[in-house]
Amino acid sequence: KAGVTQTPRYLIKTRGQQVTLSCSPISGHRSVSWYQQTPGQGLQFLFEYFSETQRNKGNFPGRFSGRQFSNSRSEMNVSTLELGDSALYLCASSLGGSVLEAFFGQGTRLTVV
Amino acid sequence: GIQVEQSPPDLILQEGANSTLRCNFSDSVNNLQWFHQNPWGQLINLFYIPSGTKQNGRLSATTVATERYSLLYISSSQTTDSGVYFCGGSQGNLIFGKGTKLSVKP
Repeated sequence: KAGVTQTPRYLIKTRGQQVTLSCSPISGHRSVSWYQQTPGQGLQFLFEYFSETQRNKGNFPGRFSGRQFSNSRSEMNVSTLELGDSALYLCASSLGGSVLEAFFGQGTRLTVV
Repeated sequence: GIQVEQSPPDLILQEGANSTLRCNFSDSVNNLQWFHQNPWGQLINLFYIPSGTKQNGRLSATTVATERYSLLYISSSQTTDSGVYFCGGSQGNLIFGKGTKLSVKP
């Protein structure tokens, strides 16, 4: 069974640009969550999608957005990139419902220059 | 929201030693997981343990839900155990502690 797949693995962008990251969950999993990891702030929750609907949202500005498709794949978008957006972005999938165990992808390392 | 505190923040061991990592929660959780972050950044699942005790080889974990803490035991540590260990708990989405950085010396 394939794990959670995130693409791309590495990305370098310029301030002001926008970026889209992709996450394909484990087959059958309907919940996808996104996290940002930085040395200063640690692992912080961005948002969660379940059956194409955003179910929860963390405390991030509106420049951070996401969506989920009917096949449960999810994308997150960051617009008007800032240097502080440089981070490891991790995606996790879970079955959803009452089954909460989360499985993480390898992450996308974003560098904003 | 829930606060998660992990201790110790750093731990240095000689190969073969045992260790205990702790995770305290400010509120009750219905989901608790332990992860090991590999050098490439991926969080590797160790245990899903909202309550009780589980063992997997040299690793075991215990969660006492009523007292809002969880422990991860590593026995006979190996250099490959090095890395950062995270616990995450939630009433919905995982909230993580700052991690314990473990260094196992040969």
